[in-house]
Amino acid sequence: DAGVIQSPRHEVTEMGQEVTLRCKPISGHDYLFWYRQTMMRGLELLIYFNNNVPIDDSGMPEDRFSAKMPNASFSTLKIQPSEPRDSAVYFCASSLVKSTSGANVLTFGAGSRLTVL
Amino acid sequence: SQQGEEDPQALSIQEGENATMNCSYKTSINNLQWYRQNSGRGLVHLILIRSNEREKHSGRLRVTLDTSKKSSSLLITASRAADTASYFCATAGSGNTGKLIFGQGTTLQVKP
Repeated sequence: DAGVIQSPRHEVTEMGQEVTLRCKPISGHDYLFWYRQTMMRGLELLIYFNNNVPIDDSGMPEDRFSAKMPNASFSTLKIQPSEPRDSAVYFCASSLVKSTSGANVLTFGAGSRLTVL
Repeated sequence: SQQGEEDPQALSIQEGENATMNCSYKTSINNLQWYRQNSGRGLVHLILIRSNEREKHSGRLRVTLDTSKKSSSLLITASRAADTASYFCATAGSGNTGKLIFGQGTTLQVKP
């Protein structure tokens, strides 16, 4: 398995532009998470899905952020319009919660480093 | 909001020494996990300890959990330069929602 695939790995854009980050989870995983990592705020949970359905989006900073999961093999995180304070590394992670253990162990992608000028 | 808080924030030791990192959390949990992050990479799962367990081992890793104090520790024995990384604890709430909240992390430097 190629693991969790994120694209782009690096994105530099100007303030006000739309940014779309993409994630392909591990096949068969039923949970998908989007996290944002900055030096100041650490690793923040933005939103997570279970079986393609958003379960908790309370971490999404504001209406400029939106996330979708149209099918089990693809998710996007969109920022429109982008602002300099959105500069961060955005991680996608997926997991399979086994009914026997109930434990959620995440596999992370390599991250998308976003710089908004 | 962050669930886990770790200390120290940074730790520097010599190769061969043991490294201990601590994590405190606020609410009841189903399990607690530790992850490692090498510079510029994604996080990698190391070990999971359930709320009804007190200690767990995996290779050179030893994790303890004290639910009465809402704290956990990660011990890396006989550290190697390759252990240089950031280490994060993550908690899964007792409601078993699947949600995983990460602490701020401890940056470990192991000097050869």
